[in-house]
Amino acid sequence: EAGVTQSPTHLIKTRGQQATLRCSPISGHTSVYWYQQALGLGLQFLLWYDEGEERNRGNFPPRFSGRQFPNYSSELNVNALELEDSALYLCASSLVGLWGQFFGPGTRLTVL
Amino acid sequence: DAKTTQPPSMDCAEGRAANLPCNHSTISGNEYVYWYRQIHSQGPQYIIHGLKNNETNEMASLIITEDRKSSTLILPHATLRDTAVYYCIVRVATKGAQKLVFGQGTRLTINP
Repeated sequence: EAGVTQSPTHLIKTRGQQATLRCSPISGHTSVYWYQQALGLGLQFLLWYDEGEERNRGNFPPRFSGRQFPNYSSELNVNALELEDSALYLCASSLVGLWGQFFGPGTRLTVL
Repeated sequence: DAKTTQPPSMDCAEGRAANLPCNHSTISGNEYVYWYRQIHSQGPQYIIHGLKNNETNEMASLIITEDRKSSTLILPHATLRDTAVYYCIVRVATKGAQKLVFGQGTRLTINP
């Protein structure tokens, strides 16, 4: 069974540009979560999507947004990139309920 | 979500059991204990979770004290590949509270 996949693996942008990160959940999982892990910092919750709707949002500005498609894949968009947006962006999927979240390998975003 | 306390780092010899403690003294009755680990530059990996009974799977065992205020993750025969940051997370498992709140975790180093 394929795990969570993310693309691209690496992304280099300049300040002020927009970045789009993509995530495909494990087959059958309806929930997708996005986390940010800046260098030297812990994982910070960004967004949670379930059944196509945003269910919860972390303490991030509105320029961080996303969506979930009918096939449950998801996009994370970051507008007006700032240097401090440089981080590893992790996507996870799960079945809503008790079980753990399963993470993808991440997209490393570098803002120059 | 309840706050957890973990030692920042631990060492263990290869082949020995690694016992990672976690304190969660403010845990509520409906909160589960989850363990994840993150090997350098990879996405976190779900290990195990439990409510009040001890749990075991192919990766590890989880021992939860009777008062549920602390738990221990046991890797029975640690290998070099178990070197990682281990996160203990406590959260409810309801639809309205699905995000994971990661602390600083324990950096476990397995020594040859």
